[in-house]
Amino acid sequence: AIQLTQSPSALAVSVGDRVTITCRASQGISTDLAWYQQQPGRPPKVLIYDASTLESWVPPRFSGSGVGTVFTLTISSLLPEDFATYYCQQFKTYPFTFGQGTRLEMK
Amino acid sequence: MQLAESGGDLVHPGGSLRLSCTASGLTVTDNYLTWVRQAPGKGLEWLSVIFADGRTYYADSVKGRFFVSRDQTNNTMYLQMNSLRPDDTALYYCAREAVALDYWGQGTLVTVSS
Repeated sequence: AIQLTQSPSALAVSVGDRVTITCRASQGISTDLAWYQQQPGRPPKVLIYDASTLESWVPPRFSGSGVGTVFTLTISSLLPEDFATYYCQQFKTYPFTFGQGTRLEMK
Repeated sequence: MQLAESGGDLVHPGGSLRLSCTASGLTVTDNYLTWVRQAPGKGLEWLSVIFADGRTYYADSVKGRFFVSRDQTNNTMYLQMNSLRPDDTALYYCAREAVALDYWGQGTLVTVSS
């Protein structure tokens, strides 16, 4: 199975900060990667698919990039509602594994 | 489109349980549907998919113990879970797979404990 490693596991940040989360795949997955945001007590919501395509509800302060084995999720200027846990997921080969998650905490 | 899980419960180790995922606004036999679980305080774990043609695929962690099926009449997908272990304790979500997992239910809690 393809392994996804996210870094960091947790990040202490402040409103207005630029945030970058990295997801590394154990083998090349082209751009077959999605990012999710999960608020406490809620199911995940897809933010980005195909590595860089934003879902319709997602504001432009979010962006995704990468191809092959290294991917990034960037939040250009963090808002209070962005404090959440973020997961990447690969769609190249079943099982469609997830990264372990990155939790954004208030500094 | 909505998905709603049900059937979660407290079950003893070695026991069985069947979860349901009832769909509205989409037809289960026309879509790829997945099960994902989340242990308390932990990350997401992909478990299974059932394709539109009825084929299934499972994660190694549940292969041979969990089985996915669907019922067109009730527009429902099921997860039959056998030989349950304490580490199967989790919130179980169903989700639709398209370019990503774009629709999720709210989850149903399974607790495996003596």
